[in-house]
Amino acid sequence: GQQVMQIPQYQHVQEGEDFTTYCNSSTTLSNIQWYKQRPGGHPVFLIQLVKSGEVKKQKRLTFQFGEAKKNSSLHITATQTTDVGTYFCAGPLTGANNLFFGTGTRLTVIP
Amino acid sequence: KAGVTQTPRYLIKTRGQQVTLSCSPISGHRSVSWYQQTPGQGLQFLFEYFSETQRNKGNFPGRFSGRQFSNSRSEMNVSTLELGDSALYLCASSEGGASGNTIYFGEGSWLTVV
Repeated sequence: GQQVMQIPQYQHVQEGEDFTTYCNSSTTLSNIQWYKQRPGGHPVFLIQLVKSGEVKKQKRLTFQFGEAKKNSSLHITATQTTDVGTYFCAGPLTGANNLFFGTGTRLTVIP
Repeated sequence: KAGVTQTPRYLIKTRGQQVTLSCSPISGHRSVSWYQQTPGQGLQFLFEYFSETQRNKGNFPGRFSGRQFSNSRSEMNVSTLELGDSALYLCASSEGGASGNTIYFGEGSWLTVV
């Protein structure tokens, strides 16, 4: 079945360091979405990538969609304590209209 | 616009009981999806409703069911609760469905089964 894996599962960084999480799908995705969930909170939509090789930036966050549309990455430059949370990638299930979520990367930022 | 509203936020049930959770989507959104989140299994899709019809269903037993009303509000029901059903149940709404559309999550309903 369709699988979406993320690595690493956990990441601890010193405030100011960079952080990257990688998302890999077993099947080609029509689009990929990224969500952030703060501790005790609910997932919040960050961005959607649709085109092969697409790169989008939101301030210190850079999102990439792979050429084959099977992988994606999220890079945070100079992390801040407000970046703490779990980052999920998600893609539509093949032929369906709902999302298959990745396993998530939990980011801890040490002040 | 008001966000996605889920009730109740927290509840405790005993094994064997049943529970009903409610979700009011963002005004104008016709698609409502339900997800179960647990530490071990992550975010898992339960089902999606669009215009009162179940369009997609995840890999959960028949004890999990749902419905959607004409005003797009949705409910999910879990019968014969088991300890493993303890989880955060999240509702998400979107205009036309998750594929290609932004989905907005509610704050979730924390269910504890004892």
